Amino acid sequence: ETGVTQTPRHLVMGMTNKKSLKCEQHLGHNAMYWYKQSAKKPLELMFVYNFKEQTENNSVPSRFSPECPNSSHLFLHLHTLQPEDSALYLCASSQQGMGKNIQYFGAGTRLSVL
Amino acid sequence: AQKITQTQPGMFVQEKEAVTLDCTYDTSDPSYGLFWYKQPSSGEMIFLIYQGSYDQQNATEGRYSLNFQKARKSANLVISASQLGDSAMYFCAMREGGGGSNYKLTFGKGTLLTVNP
Repeated sequence: ETGVTQTPRHLVMGMTNKKSLKCEQHLGHNAMYWYKQSAKKPLELMFVYNFKEQTENNSVPSRFSPECPNSSHLFLHLHTLQPEDSALYLCASSQQGMGKNIQYFGAGTRLSVL
Repeated sequence: AQKITQTQPGMFVQEKEAVTLDCTYDTSDPSYGLFWYKQPSSGEMIFLIYQGSYDQQNATEGRYSLNFQKARKSANLVISASQLGDSAMYFCAMREGGGGSNYKLTFGKGTLLTVNP
């Protein structure tokens, strides 16, 4: 079992669709993150959850709605997206509160909005 | 000013040779962490190596080593005995502050490494 698993790996959706991205971590970490990686742009931190509580929303449009039911699962609900939202969405987890706080990433969901 | 600078958009290396990927950083915080990640074309961001600002020795992980020069604010990644599977984008990142509650990573723009047979 890989440390951080993301599904689906690829997603194509229309602007009026509603879809969800799922992330699951098997590392026993207490924090989970959503990042957006667009072509030719640095990684952008979107949301951070620590022990299920959202600790950061980096001015993300409301068409992106995160959900963290427990420390192991993180969802990103998508609705009425725009073509510029097409990107690679990466999930990560880490152990906050001690040590190096290294973030471990999943393989990402490559999203195309038509 | 950019906090993480990777000046090499692309690098080429022959298989089995060593290669150095450059990274300079900018921070006034005495406590920080430096990270290198590898991103193959499949998209996964793979953690490679970590260096803390107070670590006395350069970090090493298998074929990866980090050449940490604190006074010059550089944290170059050295890959020894390159393999074809090392072809990927490599990102340098920095976390300012200690690792307890600080989590924000600033990433560089990356270096695309191509290993030739």
